[in-house]
Amino acid sequence: EAGVAQSPRYKIIEKRQSVAFWCNPISGHATLYWYQQILGQGPKLLIQFQNNGVVDDSQLPKDRFSAERLKGVDSTLKIQPAKLEDSAVYLCASSPEIGGPTGELFFGEGSRLTVL
Amino acid sequence: AQTVTQSQPEMSVQEAETVTLSCTYDTSENNYYLFWYKQPPSRQMILVIRQEAYKQQNATENRFSVNFQKAAKSFSLKISDSQLGDTAMYFCAFMKSGGTSYGKLTFGQGTILTVHP
Repeated sequence: EAGVAQSPRYKIIEKRQSVAFWCNPISGHATLYWYQQILGQGPKLLIQFQNNGVVDDSQLPKDRFSAERLKGVDSTLKIQPAKLEDSAVYLCASSPEIGGPTGELFFGEGSRLTVL
Repeated sequence: AQTVTQSQPEMSVQEAETVTLSCTYDTSENNYYLFWYKQPPSRQMILVIRQEAYKQQNATENRFSVNFQKAAKSFSLKISDSQLGDTAMYFCAFMKSGGTSYGKLTFGQGTILTVHP
């Protein structure tokens, strides 16, 4: 079974530029998450989708971050304009369904963003 | 809101020995899950072990076991017979039970574990 795919693995941009990250979850997984992991901290949930609908985006900085999950499969996370404090690893994760018996999330390898 | 605290930024252990990582949490919920996730260097995070709060029995997975103290809101991870491949960042995580809360993990700050040969 293929895992969660993310790209690009690394991205360096200057502040005020824009960047987009892509995620392809495990086939059949209804729920998709984007987490932000700042160096030295635990991951923080940015947004949660079930199929192509947003379940929770309460911690997403909506003035600069946006995310979509078209057709309930792939997802894109965009930052525009980027700030220095956006430097982090952006983790995508998926799980089979909300209410599933395990609550286990399957993570991708992450996309490391450096904002100069 | 829930909080998860890992008070040990770094730990080290000799190969084949036992190490315990600490975690405390704060919540007003009665039904929830607790997790330990492992994040090896430059690799994806994976689930190590899971504990349902309604279960009194501590979870075990091969060399990994937990000590869950619900009243004290403590959830420690014990790794027995440590192996070099256990070297990683370990995160304690909390999740409410049920409905749209599934998947909304609250993570601690992490503990870097280094296993020495």
